[in-house]
Amino acid sequence: EAGVVQSPRYKIIEKKQPVAFWCNPISGHNTLYWYLQNLGQGPELLIRYENEEAVDDSQLPKDRFSAERLKGVDSTLKIQPAELGDSAVYLCASSSYRGSDTQYFGPGTRLTVL
Amino acid sequence: AQTVTQSQPEMSVQEAETVTLSCTYDTSESDYYLFWYKQPPSRQMILVIRQEAYKQQNATENRFSVNFQKAAKSFSLKISDSQLGDAAMYFCAYRLLSTGNQFYFGTGTSLTVIP
Repeated sequence: EAGVVQSPRYKIIEKKQPVAFWCNPISGHNTLYWYLQNLGQGPELLIRYENEEAVDDSQLPKDRFSAERLKGVDSTLKIQPAELGDSAVYLCASSSYRGSDTQYFGPGTRLTVL
Repeated sequence: AQTVTQSQPEMSVQEAETVTLSCTYDTSESDYYLFWYKQPPSRQMILVIRQEAYKQQNATENRFSVNFQKAAKSFSLKISDSQLGDAAMYFCAYRLLSTGNQFYFGTGTSLTVIP
């Protein structure tokens, strides 16, 4: 079974430029998460999807961040315009509805904003 | 508020020795699952072990075991016979059944294994 796929793995951009990250969750997983992880810190939830519906986006900076999950499968997270403080690792994860189930994480996208 | 506290930002252990990473959490609910995740440098996060809150018996997975104290809201991870490959960040997390699919993470403990 394929795991959570993310691309790109690394991205370097100039500040004020746009950037997009893509995630393909594990097949059959209804729930998809986007996290931001700073160095030496735990993951911080940006947005959580149940199928195609964003059910928790309270921590998403909506002035510059947007996300979508069309058809309830793949998801894209966008930043426009990027700021220096956005440099971090962006993690995507997915899970099933079973309470005992863990989250499965992708390898992450390491963003550097210059 | 749902919180997870890992009070040890860094730990070290001699190879082949045993180390315990601490975790406490705060929830008023009774139905939840607890998890420990491992994140090696520049590698993706993987599940180490999970514990159902309704089970009194502590979970074990090979060299990894937990000490779950529900009343104290404590969930520590014990790594026995530590290996060099155990060096990583370790995150404690839990999932409330009432909120379905939301996970709450601690800030992590960086484990160094000394040869």
